[in-house]
Amino acid sequence: DTGVSQDPRHKITKRGQNVTFRCDPISEHNRLYWYRQTLGQGPEFLTYFQNEAQLEKSRLLSDRFSAERPKGSFSTLEIQRTEQGDSAMYLCASSGEDRFGQPQHFGDGTRLSIL
Amino acid sequence: GIQVEQSPPDLILQEGANSTLRCNFSDSVNNLQWFHQNPWGQLINLFYIPSGTKQNGRLSATTVATERYSLLYISSSQTTDSGVYFCAVEHRVGYKLSFGAGTTVTVRA
Repeated sequence: DTGVSQDPRHKITKRGQNVTFRCDPISEHNRLYWYRQTLGQGPEFLTYFQNEAQLEKSRLLSDRFSAERPKGSFSTLEIQRTEQGDSAMYLCASSGEDRFGQPQHFGDGTRLSIL
Repeated sequence: GIQVEQSPPDLILQEGANSTLRCNFSDSVNNLQWFHQNPWGQLINLFYIPSGTKQNGRLSATTVATERYSLLYISSSQTTDSGVYFCAVEHRVGYKLSFGAGTTVTVRA
């Protein structure tokens, strides 16, 4: 169990550029989640995958955001035409599945700064 | 959506003191997790506790699901306990977590 891995750890970019983040979940975890955390707040849900299917998207996820999990393993989150308000920590989590429920395990996050 | 309220928002402790953090939630949930976010931003799982009481070293947690609250107890606090403690509840549909705003704990030597 190597934990949830996120890349990069930090990303600094100019407003208007596109960025892509990667998340590798704990192996054999079929559920994968993306959250966003701004300074002084708790993480907020963005989207959720069960295997390769994207089953839920938050209203926070504007049209500039897209997430994929093409083979049910790693996931990517892309932000197009970044804006100042996109500056935040982007967190990925994964969990297994059984009838008793499984906790979500979080990666170390990608901190995005928009200049 | 489900509202999650944590109290107190800030807590300053002398090393060795005990404390209780509270989490109230507004609707029935599948499960509840407590996390510690360290100064580097890492979210560390403390407890996965839909109901009942669990203990892990100096930390323990109790969830009373029927009354929609959970408590996290820190005993004999140490400076390494400093950080932000989050409560998060899992929705019955979709499994997403809703987080509270956190309790910032500062333990002074």
